[in-house]
Amino acid sequence: AQSVAQPEDQVNVAEGNPLTVKCTYSVSGNPYLFWYVQYPNRGLQFLLKYITGDNLVKGSYGFEAEFNKSQTSFHLKKPSALVSDSALYFCAVRDKRTGFQKLVFGTGTRLLVSP
Amino acid sequence: NAGVTQTPKFRVLKTGQSMTLLCAQDMNHEYMYWYRQDPGMGLRLIHYSVGEGTTAKGEVPDGYNVSRLKKQNFLLGLESAAPSQTSVYFCASSRTGEGGTLHFGNGTRLTVT
Repeated sequence: AQSVAQPEDQVNVAEGNPLTVKCTYSVSGNPYLFWYVQYPNRGLQFLLKYITGDNLVKGSYGFEAEFNKSQTSFHLKKPSALVSDSALYFCAVRDKRTGFQKLVFGTGTRLLVSP
Repeated sequence: NAGVTQTPKFRVLKTGQSMTLLCAQDMNHEYMYWYRQDPGMGLRLIHYSVGEGTTAKGEVPDGYNVSRLKKQNFLLGLESAAPSQTSVYFCASSRTGEGGTLHFGNGTRLTVT
């Protein structure tokens, strides 16, 4: 079975500092990995995904994530945080072997960027 | 381009009442999904559909039914609501070939008293 772990319920960072939101995954085969962001009272929005190729994936709003197969991790990063980045972030995984696009989501990490 | 639209946005039900949540997408996506979001539990898949006229159970299907009579619509029904079904419900859609990129609606907040 596939699963995702987001070990931090909340991450606090000051504006202008780099941020990292952690994600580790477990799948039997090779993974598709995703990050989504949720703003208050809104649905999830796609940020970026890793399918294959370069381990460093760049996405929307200046975010990037690094796929590390040996550590089974896909941490979300941004060089300089903005107050507007404060939101709930979800990591998700799908096993490439499955014929259907069913994602398994982590429990989410709340990012709080202080001015 | 509206994307994925969910109605209603809010609803309060009494235990035992029934209701239907409507999801509509205008992107001609093949796949549609219903998730529920609960604090500390992330998103859990209730039911999904891989095409018009087809539905399948997800991770937490008990107490819910779905229908996909038209490609653009995916309905989620609660036959006899229970307090445990108090949650925020999200509909999503995706197309083949995107590797699983989901497009979400803004959610329906349901409270069952």
